[in-house]
Amino acid sequence: AQSVTQLDSHVSVSEGTPVLLRCNYSSSYSPSLFWYVQHPNKGLQLLLKYTSAATLVKGINGFEAEFKKSETSFHLTKPSAHMSDAAEYFCVVSPSGNTGKLIFGQGTTLQVKP
Amino acid sequence: NAGVTQTPKFQVLKTGQSMTLQCAQDMNHEYMSWYRQDPGMGLRLIHYSVGAGITDQGEVPNGYNVSRSTTEDFPLRLLSAAPSQTSVYFCASSYSPSSGGYTFGSGTRLTVV
Repeated sequence: AQSVTQLDSHVSVSEGTPVLLRCNYSSSYSPSLFWYVQHPNKGLQLLLKYTSAATLVKGINGFEAEFKKSETSFHLTKPSAHMSDAAEYFCVVSPSGNTGKLIFGQGTTLQVKP
Repeated sequence: NAGVTQTPKFQVLKTGQSMTLQCAQDMNHEYMSWYRQDPGMGLRLIHYSVGAGITDQGEVPNGYNVSRSTTEDFPLRLLSAAPSQTSVYFCASSYSPSSGGYTFGSGTRLTVV
């Protein structure tokens, strides 16, 4: 069975410092992996996706994620945090093939301090 | 394009009432899903559809019904509302979930008293 674990429920960084949000997944097959962002009282927006092409994936707003099969990880990074990055972030796995299902991690709240 | 449109944005129901949450998309996506979001639990799949006339249950289907008579619309029906159904509900659609991800609506905040 597939599952997603976000290792931190809350991360706090200072503006201008690097961001690291950690995600481990469990999947029997090669999954598709995504990061979504949700700003307060908003819907979810796709940040980036891994679909078995390049293992280093670039997304919007300067975010990146690296797929590491040996570690079953898909951590999200950004070199320099901005105040507007404060939001909740979800790591998501789509099982192999178009089943129509997404499996969400429990979310990581990113706080950015001035 | 409007994307994924959910109505209403807010709703308060009394226990035992029924209602339908509407979801429409104008992107000709085959895949549509309903999720509920509760604090600390991420999003959990209620029901999903891989095309008109085809629906299936997700992780938390009890108390909810769906139908998919057209590609565009995917309504979610609460049969007899309970306080445990107080949540934020999101509808999403996709042309290919494994490669393109989903486009989400802005959500419906439901309170059952």
